[in-house]
Amino acid sequence: GAVVSQHPSRVICKSGTSVKIECRSLDFQATTMFWYRQFPKQSLMLMATSNEGSKATYEQGVEKDKFLINHASLTLSTLTVTSAHPEDSSFYICSAKRPPQYFGPGTRLLVL
Amino acid sequence: QQQVKQSPQSLIVQKGGIPIINCAYENTAFDYFPWYQQFPGKGPALLIAIRPDVSEKKEGRFTISFNKSAKQFSLHIMDSQPGDSATYFCAAGQAYARRKDFNKFYFGSGTKLNVKP
Repeated sequence: GAVVSQHPSRVICKSGTSVKIECRSLDFQATTMFWYRQFPKQSLMLMATSNEGSKATYEQGVEKDKFLINHASLTLSTLTVTSAHPEDSSFYICSAKRPPQYFGPGTRLLVL
Repeated sequence: QQQVKQSPQSLIVQKGGIPIINCAYENTAFDYFPWYQQFPGKGPALLIAIRPDVSEKKEGRFTISFNKSAKQFSLHIMDSQPGDSATYFCAAGQAYARRKDFNKFYFGSGTKLNVKP
């Protein structure tokens, strides 16, 4: 199947700093990528849809200034968590639509 | 409104049993129905997917049954093994949406499966 990578796999940062997470589609071009957040033992919560060459579409309740998304190329989307706080600690997963959606391995963010 | 409803929330079966996970969807415009398997600390992995023009699809030990009129689909795992213990998510959406805002897939709440040896 299609391969989607994420980097880093784990990140620990101090409160108030910004963290960038990269999502790459390795063997196909993805005009659409998605960013999810997952809390322990819960389902995937869609945060935003990232469209190559245009602004991301955020789901209701997701702060666009807090979670900056850039989809600069057909194989790369980035999520930047700005001024991170402990409540932003979570498992962030990206996916690329071929279709169907292929998921990356996830990034575990811990904000101290 | 929840677009995809999944049940049960958790399931325990003995090795060799056939766990069945059910999903129901609302939007008749959906034309693609994938199932994902997720192990702790990992991203979901695509297992099998079906289109509404067929009523059943098999891939190895995994089978999807699809009932278009009832807007329901289910995952059956034949001869289940302890290694199948994971969380399973169903999803529904449009494979090729003309509008960008129809591009996303909707996910069920997940079923945690435990296959006992």
